[in-house]
Amino acid sequence: DGGITQSPKYLFRKEGQNVTLSCEQNLNHDAMYWYRQDPGQGLRLIYYSQIVNDFQKGDIAEGYSVSREKKESFPLTVTSAQKNPTAFYLCASRIPGANVLTFGAGSRLTVL
Amino acid sequence: AQSVAQPEDQVNVAEGNPLTVKCTYSVSGNPYLFWYVQYPNRGLQFLLKYITGDNLVKGSYGFEAEFNKSQTSFHLKKPSALVSDSALYFCAVRDPSNTGNQFYFGTGTSLTVIP
Repeated sequence: DGGITQSPKYLFRKEGQNVTLSCEQNLNHDAMYWYRQDPGQGLRLIYYSQIVNDFQKGDIAEGYSVSREKKESFPLTVTSAQKNPTAFYLCASRIPGANVLTFGAGSRLTVL
Repeated sequence: AQSVAQPEDQVNVAEGNPLTVKCTYSVSGNPYLFWYVQYPNRGLQFLLKYITGDNLVKGSYGFEAEFNKSQTSFHLKKPSALVSDSALYFCAVRDPSNTGNQFYFGTGTSLTVIP
């Protein structure tokens, strides 16, 4: 079945550690997105990528980094510079010209 | 600037009654509007969208939404609520004239259908 796989589902880390969240899709979608979800704040865009080897900052990119070396993969690194990294992270993708986002099941990061 | 507002954090409705989840938007051009649903600890699932044409759009699971340009609203509705409709609902907007390809989401409305 086609879809988006995010891993790990749950992740615990100590303060000051970098963390990488995986997002893999087999939908052949060109565009991929990372959102952060906090209670009462909805979804906020961290980074997005429209094609391989290209990505743009979203509204809350500070403290995060991404890469897009392959069409199928768009990993997100939460660096130690991110002041409040505990959140639910959602990866999404879409076909260019289509207006529907397909979401993964999310990764919940807790920093202790 | 593009934005979406969901004025109600929580909506409660009795099973079998009609439900409405409100959404208003602000975009500079003609908007593309969407509703997504999220169940606990899961990703978002697409329900319906308005791109152009008929102001009343029908989507999955019996949901529909009405685009009202004069009121800049896109409220989600269902004639008869089910307990299984209980979830978090997000309205989203995209301005197609903006080349940034960004989708902007509201803060979400938690719907509880009471048996």
